[in-house]
Amino acid sequence: DTGVSQNPRHKITKRGQNVTFRCDPISEHNRLYWYRQTLGQGPEFLTYFQNEAQLEKSRLLSDRFSAERPKGSFSTLEIQRTEQGDSAMYLCASSPDIGWNNEQFFGPGTRLTVL
Amino acid sequence: AQKITQTQPGMFVQEKEAVTLDCTYDTSDQSYGLFWYKQPSSGEMIFLIYQGSYDEQNATEGRYSLNFQKARKSANLVISASQLGDSAMYFCAMREGNAGGSYIPTFGRGTSLIVHP
Repeated sequence: DTGVSQNPRHKITKRGQNVTFRCDPISEHNRLYWYRQTLGQGPEFLTYFQNEAQLEKSRLLSDRFSAERPKGSFSTLEIQRTEQGDSAMYLCASSPDIGWNNEQFFGPGTRLTVL
Repeated sequence: AQKITQTQPGMFVQEKEAVTLDCTYDTSDQSYGLFWYKQPSSGEMIFLIYQGSYDEQNATEGRYSLNFQKARKSANLVISASQLGDSAMYFCAMREGNAGGSYIPTFGRGTSLIVHP
């Protein structure tokens, strides 16, 4: 399967713990996006990479959130000192670097529950 | 102001009938793209159809078509011959092509579609 993969699929953690999620995009896609989705809402943009460069971050991305894409391939999203409000589905998407209007290919998401 | 508005939180349709899911958008850009995604209960977002702002024809992909009314800023999704497997959340999204833009799409809040036999 050459689609976008995310690990883990589910994560339950206690408040105050750190968590890290991984996203493996489609191999030839240069653009990678992270979104957060809460119940009853559409995906909300968190951050965007073109190759290894993090080009944009949402105001939603507080100091406790950090994302990397060190070699322009897979990406990690870390949340430090988790809070109950961080409970959500975290979605990763990738798209090719051809123009601006290509659709994004989404992974299955990581569902985070903070107790 | 909301960039993407989906006013129908939930829709019901009988199997084999057609259904229209509404989407209105707000932009001052001349260049933009409109997307529809399906999200089943498994969580994965599945791309359905795309309409560019300069496309003169309404986009179609199999049973999906997009009723694009530029002057009204609406991009409604029409699903023909509904199937039970169409039951899912449907999201409308827009990507604005403004110069120097980040190409980050904005999503609506979604419409839940239930197809019943």
